[in-house]
Amino acid sequence: DVVMTQSPLSLPVTLGQPASISCRSSQSLVSSDGNTYLNWFQQRPGHSPRRLIYKVSNRDSGVPDRFSGSGSGTDFTLKISRVEAEDVGVYYCMQGTHWPPFTFGPGTKVDIK
Amino acid sequence: EEQVVESGGGLVKPGGSLRLSCAASGFTFSNAWMNWVRQAPGKGLEWVGRIKSKASGGTIDYAAPVKDRFSISRDDSKNTLFLQMDSLKTEDTALYYCTTDLLGKIAPAWGKGTAVTVSS
Repeated sequence: DVVMTQSPLSLPVTLGQPASISCRSSQSLVSSDGNTYLNWFQQRPGHSPRRLIYKVSNRDSGVPDRFSGSGSGTDFTLKISRVEAEDVGVYYCMQGTHWPPFTFGPGTKVDIK
Repeated sequence: EEQVVESGGGLVKPGGSLRLSCAASGFTFSNAWMNWVRQAPGKGLEWVGRIKSKASGGTIDYAAPVKDRFSISRDDSKNTLFLQMDSLKTEDTALYYCTTDLLGKIAPAWGKGTAVTVSS
């Protein structure tokens, strides 16, 4: 199975400042169809997860443009350009290239300093 | 708007069984690839399994920890997804979410989850 790791696991941030979360996979996520199936999910406290980004860098509908995804191969990054209070929660990366199973990272907890 | 609502959770003894349901609305369920994802208390997300649409072959895949104990099925006439859980273990205690396609261009719908507690 592909193992997903994230760093940091805890990220205290200052409102209005940028934040960055790293995600690494144990093998390349480039699929035989040429796509890279790396998603980012946000889970706010007490809420169900919500997908923010699919295929590395595509923002889902309704996701603020302060969220961006980048990366390739085995190294990926989720960036928040200016953190807002509503961004508090846990962020997970997930790979969908090598399945089964789909695998999630351990999560990065973002909170306000 | 795509919506899914899970039900059927509860308290069950180790070795017992439980059947979860997921009622879907707002989209063409028969065309949808559906997933179950679980989250143990205070822990991260764990994919449980996926069933493709019948048009895509209806293939079902499971995560290793649940394979041979859990069974995913669907009733397209009732827009409902099921998760039959047998031989339950304490480590199956979690909030179980039903979701639409995790990889598609449309953001997957998630329900609020249904809680399963396996304890003697």
